[in-house]
Amino acid sequence: KNQVEQSPQSLIILEGKNCTLQCNYTVSPFSNLRWYKQDTGRGPVSLTIMTFSENTKSNGRYTATLDADTKQSSLHITASQLSDSASYICVVSAGSMIYNQGGKLIFGQGTELSVKP
Amino acid sequence: EAGVTQFPSHSVIEKGQTVTLRCDPISGHDNLYWYRRVMGKEIKFLLHFVKESKQDESGMPNNRFLAERTGGTYSTLKVQPAELEDSGVYFCASSQEDRGSGNTIYFGEGSWLTVV
Repeated sequence: KNQVEQSPQSLIILEGKNCTLQCNYTVSPFSNLRWYKQDTGRGPVSLTIMTFSENTKSNGRYTATLDADTKQSSLHITASQLSDSASYICVVSAGSMIYNQGGKLIFGQGTELSVKP
Repeated sequence: EAGVTQFPSHSVIEKGQTVTLRCDPISGHDNLYWYRRVMGKEIKFLLHFVKESKQDESGMPNNRFLAERTGGTYSTLKVQPAELEDSGVYFCASSQEDRGSGNTIYFGEGSWLTVV
């Protein structure tokens, strides 16, 4: 069964601190792994996309890593800001890219991050 | 450039009624997707259009759900008749042609459906 699991479920950190969110997946076929940020009441916004050949990808203060062998990914947030408070969702594309099935996304439950002043 | 827009943003209907959700993708995006999140669960894939054709509808829960994309532009998702368990947030998303490395999928803000 295709599954994406995230930990921790929720996290509270102080402004300016760093944090790392974890994602484990069992998805086949694997096309790529994405991290999304979702503010309360809004739609998800893409942070990073990584194919199986990519180990790391950065987007500003966000750095994602991927270990395709162990099927694990992490999202590291550096120097957190109050605006980073949101749900961070790990998403894996389960479809074949050859057949344009990259949008068949398997979502994790998300990690609820709260940044306090 | 306008993003993915969805209408209505919120809808409250009675069990047994019909609701139609509309999605306008980003202009020029051939790929259009529908997803939904029901209470307490993760977001799940419903279906994928490429232009006006259904590429993959394996996530559609049952035949009470009907999605269309006439003309390959906007899409509608109709729920008829609505049941209590259909309550949730329905997200539409769109993307350009995928060239194999993973294209960015842009989400709308979602249509919140409550069935009472």
